[in-house]
Amino acid sequence: EDQVTQSPEALRLQEGESSSLNCSYTVSGLRGLFWYRQDPGKGPEFLFTLYSAGEEKEKERLKATLTKKESFLHITAPKPEDSATYLCAVQARVDSNYQLIWGAGTKLIIKP
Amino acid sequence: GAVVSQHPSRVICKSGTSVKIECRSLDFQATTMFWYRQFPKQSLMLMATSNEGSKATYEQGVEKDKFLINHASLTLSTLTVTSAHPEDSSFYICSARSGLAVYEQYFGPGTRLTVT
Repeated sequence: EDQVTQSPEALRLQEGESSSLNCSYTVSGLRGLFWYRQDPGKGPEFLFTLYSAGEEKEKERLKATLTKKESFLHITAPKPEDSATYLCAVQARVDSNYQLIWGAGTKLIIKP
Repeated sequence: GAVVSQHPSRVICKSGTSVKIECRSLDFQATTMFWYRQFPKQSLMLMATSNEGSKATYEQGVEKDKFLINHASLTLSTLTVTSAHPEDSSFYICSARSGLAVYEQYFGPGTRLTVT
């Protein structure tokens, strides 16, 4: 069964304190792993797509990496504005459609 | 690029009435659109998938007669909540995928529906 697990559920960091969020997955035939950021009361904001093990992508203070079993979202020297819920999803084929299978998210709080 | 808009952002309606939510892809053609529902502090729950010009495919447990989805063009999909009840109050989010970036989905800002 296709499944996505994110850890930790919540993470509190001091401004400037680097850390990583984890997304482990099981899916038959990976067709993309996605990271999104969601602020309260808003829709998810697309961050990254990773397609194959070993792939890495960066955007400002964020860096996403992918292995055959998991993905990490590394946050370097975070700022309070990086506070949000970070969602991980994998693309799976369900019947004749491709759908995103979501993790429960990691709520990140950066304290000034 | 890849901007998705939703309208309205908030709507309050009375029990028994119907409400329509619009989702538009502003700078790309969306061959597939998705409608999600999200409860507080929970992840997104897929309600239905629609391909332009075709009938929507609903997830198990989602009433197709209650949540009417129309994907009439490559830039517009609508979700109509018919005979709304208080338990339909939720955050509804649409998402769109273009035919070019086959696997990437972009989300709208969401619509907060409150049924009184």
